[in-house]
Amino acid sequence: GAVVSQHPSWVICKSGTSVKIECRSLDFQATTMFWYRQFPKQSLMLMATSNEGSKATYEQGVEKDKFLINHASLTLSTLTVTSAHPEDSSFYICSARVPWRGQGMETQYFGPGTRLLVL
Amino acid sequence: GIQVEQSPPDLILQEGANSTLRCNFSDSVNNLQWFHQNPWGQLINLFYIPSGTKQNGRLSATTVATERYSLLYISSSQTTDSGVYFCAVGYTGGFKTIFGAGTRLFVKA
Repeated sequence: GAVVSQHPSWVICKSGTSVKIECRSLDFQATTMFWYRQFPKQSLMLMATSNEGSKATYEQGVEKDKFLINHASLTLSTLTVTSAHPEDSSFYICSARVPWRGQGMETQYFGPGTRLLVL
Repeated sequence: GIQVEQSPPDLILQEGANSTLRCNFSDSVNNLQWFHQNPWGQLINLFYIPSGTKQNGRLSATTVATERYSLLYISSSQTTDSGVYFCAVGYTGGFKTIFGAGTRLFVKA
C-alpha cells in the first residue's frame, strides 16, 4: 500500500513556458503533500507543503508566484512551474504522509519524481 | 532549526562486505526514516524507526533517541545496494521532514 505517482516522469520545455506536474496518492487519501526539489548529487530540499482545500505553505526563498501549488482533492496535488527558465531545471519529487491505523505513527512515501529540463 | 548530519558522505564497498551508516540529529525527534534513493531517483522506504531496532533481511536499523543518533547496517552488500541513503527526521513541535545530506554508496562486483 501507500503508492504515490507522479506525472510526467520527465519533461523538456522551452524557456518561458509553464510546466505542470501532477502528484497522486493512489491507494490512500492525503490531506497533506510535500514538494521537494533535488539538484544533482544533493539532498532533497523542501519547497512547500500542500494542504488540501487551502493555500500551500512555502519554504523561505521559494517564489510562490513561480511555483504554483494546487491541492485540488485528497488524492491530487499539482505543481506548476511558471515561465520556466534553465535554472529551474531540476528533479522535482512529491511525497505524502500516511498515518498508520491511528497509532500516532506517520510514514512518508515518495513519488518517482519528475525530471525537468528547460532549454 | 534541527540539523541532520550523515556519515560517511561517500562509501565504496566490495560486494559481500558489511557497512554502517550513521545519522546524527541535533534535537529531539518524533519521526525518523531511512530511505534508499536508487539510480533512477526513486526514494524507497527502508525503515520507520524513531526509536529501537528493526531488521528487514540484510538491513537493520537502530535509533537511540536519547543520544540523538541512528545507525543503518547493511550486511553482505550487493551491487543493487548502490545508491544514496538518506536519513530524514520529523522533530517534536514541527511538521516538516528534514533530510540529511545522504551517504552515497557504491558496491563493486
